[in-house]
This record gives sequence, C-alpha cells and structure tokens, in this order.
Amino acid sequence: ETGVTQTPRHLVMGMTNKKSLKCEQHLGHNAMYWYKQSAKKPLELMFVYNFKEQTENNSVPSRFSPECPNSSHLFLHLHTLQPEDSALYLCASSQVGTGDNQPQHFGDGTRLSIL
Amino acid sequence: GENVEQHPSTLSVQEGDSAVIKCTYSDSASNYFPWYKQELGKRPQLIIDIRSNVGEKKDQRIAVTLNKTAKHFSLHITETQPEDSAVYFCAASDTGGFKTIFGAGTRLFVKA
Repeated sequence: ETGVTQTPRHLVMGMTNKKSLKCEQHLGHNAMYWYKQSAKKPLELMFVYNFKEQTENNSVPSRFSPECPNSSHLFLHLHTLQPEDSALYLCASSQVGTGDNQPQHFGDGTRLSIL
Repeated sequence: GENVEQHPSTLSVQEGDSAVIKCTYSDSASNYFPWYKQELGKRPQLIIDIRSNVGEKKDQRIAVTLNKTAKHFSLHITETQPEDSAVYFCAASDTGGFKTIFGAGTRLFVKA
C-alpha cells in the first residue's frame, strides 16, 4: 500500500542540526496527523491538520514545527532536538467531516535517532 | 484528560487458541473504535472497527465487542496463527474524528 508515503525512513542527526520529515498522502483525504511512537508508550498525537488548518497541537515543544502547504503534504521541521526525541514518527491521514468516522491510514514512519 | 487503557501489555498463546485484548475509554463522546495491527518494522494497519450504534462485529477470525455503558471494548482472535503475532492497538475517537486516543498496545506472541 502506498497511500501514505514518508521520507526519509531513517534519520540520524545531532542535537544542533536542522532537518525536516516529509509526508505525502494519495488518498484524497482532508486531514493529516503527526504521531510520535516511543518504546513501551502509546502513540502520542502531536499535530492535526484539517483542510490545511492546524486544529490540534498537543503541547508539543517548539523544537518541532509542522507545516501543511496543501491537503496532500505534511512536513515536520526539526531543530535543536534532545536525545529523548529519538522515536518513530508516524504520519497518518483520514477523511473527516463526512458524518461517519473513518479510520486513519498510516505511513511507514521515520525512525529518528538523536546523537 | 481522556485516555484509553489496554490490557494485557503482552499476551502469549499457543497456535489455535483464542486471544482476547481488552480496552476501556474515559471520554463519553467517543463513538468510533478502530483496532490496528502493527507488525515489526511496519506501519499500523486497520484490522477491524466498530461504531457506537453496534454491540458486536465479526470479520472471519476477528471479532470486536463494545459495551458503551461500561465504556469497554474488546478484540477477539480465534484459531490464532503465527502470522497473528504483532502489536495490537485499540483506539477511541470522537464524532469529529480528529481526536483519536490510542491504547498502549498489546504484544501478541503466537507459538507454533
């Protein structure tokens, strides 16, 4: 399934670096999400975009900066990260506002390691 | 805040046995409950879902039950096979669909 594509798959960066994660969905959905998945912890919702407008920001540190230029693309800009930010970052998309909840479709994630 | 509790965190069964994973949710506004399976190194994928107007749903060897009064829902896998080994996540979502809260996951091992 190539509905939600994330790049890169793996990223190693130093604490002073600046990098960006990219997500693209080909499902025609109108909502996109960033999640953080750490070992032995639930999936943590970071950001939600609906029709390119950010509707949710779950108290995420400012060193994570999302960008949604259109309904098909989502970025997560990273700078001055900490070792505890090492995790799998998952992007998802779904169709909302239809009156009937629809499931989220996930990408393969970016495995991020902070040195 | 809202949360979803999932148990057990680890489950080991013999091939052919049944497996049951249980979740409870706190937000009364939740009305959609998807279940995801995540194999090692892969993305979470939807395996079954249930809406609040239904008490039970079945798809081949997988079934889900929902008790709205108790705010409790469960995943049942019958005749387990080694390829069922994965991490399973329950989730609860409100009407808008934006706020989906996930359980911590259950690591299922099916021994051949």
